[in-house]
Amino acid sequence: KAGVTQTPRYLIKTRGQQVTLSCSPISGHRSVSWYQQTPGQGLQFLFEYFSETQRNKGNFPGRFSGRQFSNSRSEMNVSTLELGDSALYLCASSSVGGREAFFGQGTRLTVV
Amino acid sequence: QQQVKQSPQSLIVQKGGISIINCAYENTAFDYFPWYQQFPGKGPALLIAIRPDVSEKKEGRFTISFNKSAKQFSLHIMDSQPGDSATYFCAASRGRGADGLTFGKGTHLIIQP
Repeated sequence: KAGVTQTPRYLIKTRGQQVTLSCSPISGHRSVSWYQQTPGQGLQFLFEYFSETQRNKGNFPGRFSGRQFSNSRSEMNVSTLELGDSALYLCASSSVGGREAFFGQGTRLTVV
Repeated sequence: QQQVKQSPQSLIVQKGGISIINCAYENTAFDYFPWYQQFPGKGPALLIAIRPDVSEKKEGRFTISFNKSAKQFSLHIMDSQPGDSATYFCAASRGRGADGLTFGKGTHLIIQP
């Protein structure tokens, strides 16, 4: 079974631009969560989607948004990028009713 | 507010020794406690997890000990090997898990040959 796939692996963007990251969950998993990982703040929960609905959102500004498609694939978008948005963005998927979260390798976003 | 506190920040253990990482939580609603292992350039990988109705869970060389009254849990790595050198994160979640995982700050573990 293929794991969680995130694309692209690396991105360099300029301050003020927007970016879209993609996540394909493990086949059969319908829950997708996004996390931001930085050296200073560690791993922080962004939001969680299940059956195309956002069920919860972490403490991040409205510039961070996401969506989930009918095939459970998910995207997250960050608008008006700031230098502080530079981070590793991780996607995790879980099965229906399952608590185990399986992470992808992440997308390394650098804002210059 | 840091809801899951992890210690130590870094740890050096000799090959064959026992590595011990501790975590404490504040939210009594947490009911699922996983540990993750992360190598440089990789995403976190689920190692082992425990629920509060169990005091200990063992999988191979990895053991979680859980103390509900103290709101603490720990990871023990027996017979530590150089390949175990990585960053380890404890985490906690509640309910259906839709609130996401709350992570500790991580422990950078180095196993010296």
